[in-house]
Amino acid sequence: EPEVTQTPSHQVTQMGQEVILRCVPISNHLYFYWYRQILGQKVEFLVSFYNNEISEKSEIFDDQFSVERPDGSNFTLKIRSTKLEDSAMYFCASSGLGSGNTIYFGEGSWLTVV
Amino acid sequence: EDQVTQSPEALRLQEGESSSLNCSYTVSGLRGLFWYRQDPGKGPEFLFTLYSAGEEKEKERLKATLTKKESFLHITAPKPEDSATYLCAVQVYGGSQGNLIFGKGTKLSVKP
Repeated sequence: EPEVTQTPSHQVTQMGQEVILRCVPISNHLYFYWYRQILGQKVEFLVSFYNNEISEKSEIFDDQFSVERPDGSNFTLKIRSTKLEDSAMYFCASSGLGSGNTIYFGEGSWLTVV
Repeated sequence: EDQVTQSPEALRLQEGESSSLNCSYTVSGLRGLFWYRQDPGKGPEFLFTLYSAGEEKEKERLKATLTKKESFLHITAPKPEDSATYLCAVQVYGGSQGNLIFGKGTKLSVKP
């Protein structure tokens, strides 16, 4: 069964450092997303991406965040200068033709900022 | 403001003891309601999508129903492997299709 894959599974970084989280969405999907989940809290929407541009972003997705689809398979989330409060599980997700509105999530990248 | 509330926060059942989880929502316009299962440290695993009041979907021991104000996830004769957090999320008109608003989830524990 096709799946969304994410790397790394866990990353520890110093406050102020840049972090790039990587995702390979399901191959025939056209819509890509990032969500985050702070420990013990709700899953929260960050950004949606379609046709090589951001289609919607939440208030959380401020100037320190950026997304990119550098090639035909990868989708990345960059956090420019990490803060302690960025510590969370980050989920990549995708949807597209053949899946209707169904949004499929990856296993997540756990980011710890120290 | 669009909102999703799940209850109870936690539910402990004996194996075979059927029950229901509730997801109530207040949204400007419902485009779809999703149920996901989440195991500890893992990503949400898709279960069902419901689009209109009266719709029902089933998968093994799970059945999801939808009204104009809430959705129920019925679990019939649960097994220990059904233990997980069940998440409800809504998709509203006016937002991108990927902007899901999640509830806090119901943590289900099924004891043998």
